[in-house]
Amino acid sequence: ELKVEQNPLFLSMQEGKNYTIYCNYSTTSDRLYWYRQDPGKSLESLFVLLSNGAVKQEGRLMASLDTKARLSTLHITAAVHDLSATYFCAVDSYMNYGGSQGNLIFGKGTKLSVKP
Amino acid sequence: DTEVTQTPKHLVMGMTNKKSLKCEQHMGHRAMYWYKQKAKKPPELMFVYSYEKLSINESVPSRFSPECPNSSLLNLHLHALQPEDSALYLCASSRRGGQKTEAFFGQGTRLTVV
Repeated sequence: ELKVEQNPLFLSMQEGKNYTIYCNYSTTSDRLYWYRQDPGKSLESLFVLLSNGAVKQEGRLMASLDTKARLSTLHITAAVHDLSATYFCAVDSYMNYGGSQGNLIFGKGTKLSVKP
Repeated sequence: DTEVTQTPKHLVMGMTNKKSLKCEQHMGHRAMYWYKQKAKKPPELMFVYSYEKLSINESVPSRFSPECPNSSLLNLHLHALQPEDSALYLCASSRRGGQKTEAFFGQGTRLTVV
């Protein structure tokens, strides 16, 4: 069974600081996704990581994937208040279904609060 | 167009009611999904349709009944729900199951069962 663990689950940061959110998963997969969710809203896609060593950057956020370590990171640079939200990583479980059809297994989410 | 449209946005229903949630996409995606998200929890998969056929059912109670009438539409029929079924219901779609592709989520239906 594929398990996805995120840490930390809660993160309170000051504006201007850097921090990293970690996402570990338990079985083989080379498809990992990061989503942002604001309170009461749906999921907004941030990054799609589809190969070992993939690195993507958008603004103050950078995501990477190490499939051998089964680890993805979401790095926040010089945080601003607008980044306050809950961030989910999700792993495609397609390998559990013979490679033909998968679905996303989500981590528990990291609630980020950026304070002035 | 990278939009998945869900209706209604909010729904309040009694435990004896029958209602339906609707989801539509026009991206040519052939895999569509229903997720349930309780407050302060991650989304949990309910159903997956691939090429209009139900391919994954994550042991969801029969009071939830999915339907995929065509490649653009996905419905979730609700009957005799319980208050604990109150949650945000998210629809998603992706190009095809098994492909390295992104899943796009709709805005969700906030369901309250009274």
